[in-house]
Amino acid sequence: NAGVTQTPKFQVLKTGQSMTLQCAQDMNHNSMYWYRQDPGMGLRLIYYSASEGTTDKGEVPNGYNVSRLNKREFSLRLESAAPSQTSVYFCASSEALLAEDTQYFGPGTRLTVL
Amino acid sequence: AQSVSQHNHHVILSEAASLELGCNYSYGGTVNLFWYVQYPGQHLQLLLKYFSGDPLVKGIKGFEAEFIKSKFSFNLRKPSVQWSDTAEYFCAVKDTDKLIFGTGTRLQVFP
Repeated sequence: NAGVTQTPKFQVLKTGQSMTLQCAQDMNHNSMYWYRQDPGMGLRLIYYSASEGTTDKGEVPNGYNVSRLNKREFSLRLESAAPSQTSVYFCASSEALLAEDTQYFGPGTRLTVL
Repeated sequence: AQSVSQHNHHVILSEAASLELGCNYSYGGTVNLFWYVQYPGQHLQLLLKYFSGDPLVKGIKGFEAEFIKSKFSFNLRKPSVQWSDTAEYFCAVKDTDKLIFGTGTRLQVFP
């Protein structure tokens, strides 16, 4: 099992460019999440998907869109990148949204917006 | 909504010293609490979690945490740290269907 995989690992964008971050999990999990990690702020939830076909906003959704392509894949799109979106992005998955379910994290994508 | 406070932002210890990292959450009721660790250059991994039963929870690599309901706390402990414990540690609480993270504590252990 690869667990949760993310591509790319690193990306540099210019302000205004768009890009899509890819995430896939092979654990047959129902729920998937996108977080951003910024120094001194911990991880903040951008969007999540409770199950295939559903998506919901998290704490910091502005400037992002998501697609739950199928059960395995959950992508995050930046339509017009801004320097404030420079961050490390983590995808995670869990069996469901139940309270005791553990979230498993991917290796992260380090994004720099110039 | 729940919030999580980690008051120690940066902790520096020598090997074999004891460790306690503080974590407080904002309100009571039924809570589900987690500690995650992020080693340098790696992704987050679960250290331990609590959702019911014995308030003293044992995790991987000799870590443990104690849930104290009256203090809204879930502090992480290890009796004797190693250089390999150098990492960032995140406390998190489940709030309905979302995981709320603290800001993290950076632990540096020197040989």
